[in-house]
Amino acid sequence: DVKVTQSSRYLVKRTGEKVFLECVQDMDHENMFWYRQDPGLGLRLIYFSYDVKMKEKGDIPEGYSVSREKKERFSLILESASTNQTSMYLCASRDNQPQHFGDGTRLSIL
Amino acid sequence: DQQVKQNSPSLSVQEGRISILNCDYTNSMFDYFLWYKKYPAEGPTFLISISSIKDKNEDGRFTVFLNKSAKHLSLHIVPSQPGDSAVYFCAASSRGGGADGLTFGKGTHLIIQP
Repeated sequence: DVKVTQSSRYLVKRTGEKVFLECVQDMDHENMFWYRQDPGLGLRLIYFSYDVKMKEKGDIPEGYSVSREKKERFSLILESASTNQTSMYLCASRDNQPQHFGDGTRLSIL
Repeated sequence: DQQVKQNSPSLSVQEGRISILNCDYTNSMFDYFLWYKKYPAEGPTFLISISSIKDKNEDGRFTVFLNKSAKHLSLHIVPSQPGDSAVYFCAASSRGGGADGLTFGKGTHLIIQP
């Protein structure tokens, strides 16, 4: 079974802080993804990576960056957190379809 | 512009009956479609998928139908069970084997009533 692990289930940070969300997968997948889920908006793609040190912008990359130094780990970085980044963040990985998701990090920015 | 649309925010179905969830898309480049199920406080779980070269795919109680000319797909659940109560997301990809992300609809909250 594919396991995608997100380091925190719940996180509370303050406006202006630099925030790191970590994701690890155990299936040696090439591709990893970060989404955010908001009520009434579904899941929206922030960034994805198809190889170590490679990254591509998704549909809503503004205010975010990512890091992929090792194949199994994909980090999402909020450079200066703002209240409109309060959301559920979901990491996923895959080789072929489908994508497999972690359980999410519910991030609150105060 | 929303490329994947789920026009019903919620759907209520009696236990044992058929649940039909609908999804429309606008991007002709989409060639692979997936349905995910999501419980609160959990990540989405993959249910079933279909490639654009097919018009039907079945897996147990779940069947997905694709009508390419209408740019429409639907998920049928027969018979519906209480554990099927969840939010269902339709998703699409324009490069089935490529390294791009999925485009999701806004979801339909399915409620199975006893």
